[in-house]
Amino acid sequence: DIQMTQSPSSLSASVGDRVTITCRASQSISSYLNWYQQKPGKAPNLLIYAASSLQSGVPSRFSGGGSGTDFTLTISSLQPEDSATYYCQQTYTTPTFGGGTKVEIK
Amino acid sequence: EVQLLESGGGLVQPGGSLRLSCEASGFTFSSYAMSWVRQAPGKGLEWVSGISGSGGRTYNADSVKGRFTISRDNSKNTLFLQMNSLRAEDTAVYYCAKDQEMATIVALDIWGQGTMVTVSS
Repeated sequence: DIQMTQSPSSLSASVGDRVTITCRASQSISSYLNWYQQKPGKAPNLLIYAASSLQSGVPSRFSGGGSGTDFTLTISSLQPEDSATYYCQQTYTTPTFGGGTKVEIK
Repeated sequence: EVQLLESGGGLVQPGGSLRLSCEASGFTFSSYAMSWVRQAPGKGLEWVSGISGSGGRTYNADSVKGRFTISRDNSKNTLFLQMNSLRAEDTAVYYCAKDQEMATIVALDIWGQGTMVTVSS
């Protein structure tokens, strides 16, 4: 299985800050990389698919980048409602998720 | 409105069986692959099983191979997960999710609310 490693595991930032989360695959996955947001007690929500495509209805402050083994999710201006855990997922082979990054608002 | 509604969760003893269902509405069910994803209490997400829109291809995580079987009834817009030989480590909230594509697992764009499975004696 392809292992997905996210960093950091948690972060705390202020409203308006630019936040970047990284995700590294144990082997090349081309652009088969998705990002999800999950709030406590809720199902995950797809934010970014195919590494950089914004899912319909998702605010434009979210963006994704990368290819091969290294990927990023960037929130350009952090908002209070962005407090959540973020997961990357590869679908190049049998799907696997990263361990998650918990984002808190200072 | 696109909606997925899971059912069938509950308490089961180790070694027992359980069948989860996921009823879909608001979209052409047979046109999309579907997946089951689980989340153990306080832990991250784990993809479990997937199935193509036609039902002709299935995919499973190594952790459930030989124990779990995914299937679908496109005439009833329903996805299933048959879980046998259950273990304590299978305890989790189980989500069903719709894929963006028909043939394989690409990205999960609609999720149900989840159903809790507890494996304990």
